[in-house]
Amino acid sequence: ETGVTQSPTHLIKTRGQQVTLRCSSQSGHNTVSWYQQALGQGPQFIFQYYREEENGRGNFPPRFSGLQFPNYSSELNVNALELDDSALYLCASSLTSGRGTGANVLTFGAGSRLTVL
Amino acid sequence: SQQGEEDPQALSIQEGENATMNCSYKTSINNLQWYRQNSGRGLVHLILIRSNEREKHSGRLRVTLDTSKKSSSLLITASRAADTASYFCATVFNNAGNMLTFGGGTRLMVKP
Repeated sequence: ETGVTQSPTHLIKTRGQQVTLRCSSQSGHNTVSWYQQALGQGPQFIFQYYREEENGRGNFPPRFSGLQFPNYSSELNVNALELDDSALYLCASSLTSGRGTGANVLTFGAGSRLTVL
Repeated sequence: SQQGEEDPQALSIQEGENATMNCSYKTSINNLQWYRQNSGRGLVHLILIRSNEREKHSGRLRVTLDTSKKSSSLLITASRAADTASYFCATVFNNAGNMLTFGGGTRLMVKP
């Protein structure tokens, strides 16, 4: 059983650029959630994808967008990067029941650390 | 704003001592989970307690939940240097599907 893998592990961008982060979910999981974690703070929920559709969104602007693919992997895209977007971006996968609700335990990847200059 | 808030924000103890961290939340929950994060890494799930449970144990971990006070505590007994990490509580709201919201965390340092 493979865990959650994220790429790239580190990257540096300049303000105004665009970035794509990738995540492969754990085998058997069908839901992917993305979190942003600024230094010294807790993870902030960005959005979740289930059955290739957005299943919930946190308080993030539209320039944060995502995709989920048929194999349950996912991408996080951020356009028009700002300095405050510098953070650790965490992907987590889980198994959601057919009703789309439940008490889900998340399996996290190691994260992608984005620095915006 | 974050649903859960941990207290204290930082805790430093000697190896062998017990560490207690508290979490308060604001609205009704389905369950509450605790996660651990080693510096700059991904989070690892420790334990889940449902809203109809009051106490749960896992190895050296003991979690309590008081829904009347909207609070939970995580106790780590006989701490080890390897327990040094940040600990986060996370809640699933009753009407928010399965989306977890995390608190700000407690940074635990266990000195050898």
